[in-house]
Amino acid sequence: AQKITQTQPGMFVQEKEAVTLDCTYDTSDPSYGLFWYKQPSSGEMIFLIYQGSYDQQNATEGRYSLNFQKARKSANLVISASQLGDSAMYFCAMREGGTGRRALTFGSGTRLQVQP
Amino acid sequence: EPEVTQTPSHQVTQMGQEVILRCVPISNHLYFYWYRQILGQKVEFLVSFYNNEISEKSEIFDDQFSVERPDGSNFTLKIRSTKLEDSAMYFCASKKGGENTEAFFGQGTRLTVV
Repeated sequence: AQKITQTQPGMFVQEKEAVTLDCTYDTSDPSYGLFWYKQPSSGEMIFLIYQGSYDQQNATEGRYSLNFQKARKSANLVISASQLGDSAMYFCAMREGGTGRRALTFGSGTRLQVQP
Repeated sequence: EPEVTQTPSHQVTQMGQEVILRCVPISNHLYFYWYRQILGQKVEFLVSFYNNEISEKSEIFDDQFSVERPDGSNFTLKIRSTKLEDSAMYFCASKKGGENTEAFFGQGTRLTVV
């Protein structure tokens, strides 16, 4: 079974609107972390936001928020007030285990295009 | 702001040749990783390194691959005899200790095997 599933290969959004990028995960480990990274066309991987499995509140970082629904095993990224510079690939990733040492497992990504 | 640095940014090599991809992680980080991304596909884990030894490796990381941290600052990935299917973007990442921290990625090395 896939550990991280991103079901939206591509998404379009109008500038200044909000958009939700879906991510579901699968783990039996009670301790894990969920991450979102942005990959613009230049290729680098940019960290956006983190949610720990024991965190009670949804994570927020500026225009990014993570809609964490633990029972449904979903960790959707919400981008508010989209900007043209938000056009990029977005990857959801998970780190299992409580030591922080494990590697990230990535989803297949969602390509977001922001339209003027 | 400290960053992970990778060199070269692009390398073209002939099939069967050895390549070494270089990375300078962030200086106070403890965990180091190599990932690869075949064009248009997901990012895949290769190997992690902690306390001067391999901590974890994926099934992709076979005997053709090796990693080293020769001098306390550089972190290298060697591919002994490259194959066409090794063509990909290779990312180095590093991470501080502690569970609730993100990995910082370098800008990647695009390896093209011809």
